[in-house]
Amino acid sequence: AQTVTQSQPEMSVQEAETVTLSCTYDTSESDYYLFWYKQPPSRQMILVIRQEAYKQQNATENRFSVNFQKAAKSFSLKISDSQLGDAAMYFCAYRSGVYNQGGKLIFGQGTELSVKP
Amino acid sequence: DSGVTQTPKHLITATGQRVTLRCSPRSGDLSVYWYQQSLDQGLQFLIHYYNGEERAKGNILERFSAQQFPDLHSELNLSSLELGDSALYFCASSVGGRETQYFGPGTRLLVL
Repeated sequence: AQTVTQSQPEMSVQEAETVTLSCTYDTSESDYYLFWYKQPPSRQMILVIRQEAYKQQNATENRFSVNFQKAAKSFSLKISDSQLGDAAMYFCAYRSGVYNQGGKLIFGQGTELSVKP
Repeated sequence: DSGVTQTPKHLITATGQRVTLRCSPRSGDLSVYWYQQSLDQGLQFLIHYYNGEERAKGNILERFSAQQFPDLHSELNLSSLELGDSALYFCASSVGGRETQYFGPGTRLLVL
């Protein structure tokens, strides 16, 4: 079974600085997708970024980028120029690309990010 | 706004009761997923429907059931509620089974 691990329960960053959140996963599959979701105090789950395993290039969305290390099964999220609105719980998630796996997301435990002004 | 709607936003009920949570997917999305978020279990996948048919089941209790209707909205039915069922229940939708899932605002269930 696939697992996702976020080893940092809490992280803190100064406004305008850069922070990296860690995520590792375990799978024997070659076709899969990785995601970072953000959950602010409103509890809404918001997609931050997506990475297809077959793509070697790291995904980037504005101030958010990932470092995808397929061999190491590592998928970290870098937030540049941190803003107060980035304060939230961040979840790393895995989804199999295998048809009979049903498309479910497997989530890590989350990392609570606080941003200091 | 993800385009996924869920009702009600909050629900308070008593043990032993039955409730129904409703989800309307984004326009054009055929897949609906249900997840449960609780303090002790984290975010857990419950069930996936695609175009009216059950596609996958996760850690869903026998007391829970779901369905997806012809207009593609979905309902999650929770019966014989226990204190431990108190959680935030999310619905997510995607175009198909391989695309990105977009989440609704969730229904916060409190069982007293």
